[in-house]
Amino acid sequence: QKEVEQNSGPLSVPEGAIASLNCTYSDRGSQSFFWYRQYSGKSPELIMFIYSNGDKEDGRFTAQLNKASQYVSLLIRDSQPSDSATYLCAVNEGFQKLVFGTGTRLLVSP
Amino acid sequence: DVKVTQSSRYLVKRTGEKVFLECVQDMDHENMFWYRQDPGLGLRLIYFSYDVKMKEKGDIPEGYSVSREKKERFSLILESASTNQTSMYLCASSGGQGSYGTGELFFGEGSRLTVL
Repeated sequence: QKEVEQNSGPLSVPEGAIASLNCTYSDRGSQSFFWYRQYSGKSPELIMFIYSNGDKEDGRFTAQLNKASQYVSLLIRDSQPSDSATYLCAVNEGFQKLVFGTGTRLLVSP
Repeated sequence: DVKVTQSSRYLVKRTGEKVFLECVQDMDHENMFWYRQDPGLGLRLIYFSYDVKMKEKGDIPEGYSVSREKKERFSLILESASTNQTSMYLCASSGGQGSYGTGELFFGEGSRLTVL
């Protein structure tokens, strides 16, 4: 079974800071990677996906992928209290089956 | 607005009861999934389906079965509920076919099942 590892946190950052969330995966052949955000009591929702090595930016969010190191990260710039949530890293196992990490809880303090 | 609807938000059942969890999506998606989410264990795939009347086992299918008689509906069945099946159950759907798609799963609001 492919594994996706995340630090459970919580990761605490002050408002306006950069939050850095990290994820490692076990299957070197994995091709596509996803970040989902889950607010307390709510369902996960997709924030970003990345397929290629390097950075992908979308607004305040940047996903970074390093396939050689089997490492994916999510940077959140200018963190806001509304970013406080659990962030789930997911790897596509094939045929749209996703394997999820256990999530990192982010707390952004005003 | 896209929508995945799960029939029950909260259920309380007794050990040995048969439990049905229903999920309906209105996006004409081919793929539907059932996950359970537990603290410290994350989201784990129970069953999934790529088409009507087909099903595939996920990582933890034991004690569960599924039914997909219509494209928009995917049901999860616990034949004889046990206390270790107390969990949050999340249904999801995604569009597209082929190996890698976009990976965008649309989740329902979840069904919290307690088995006493």
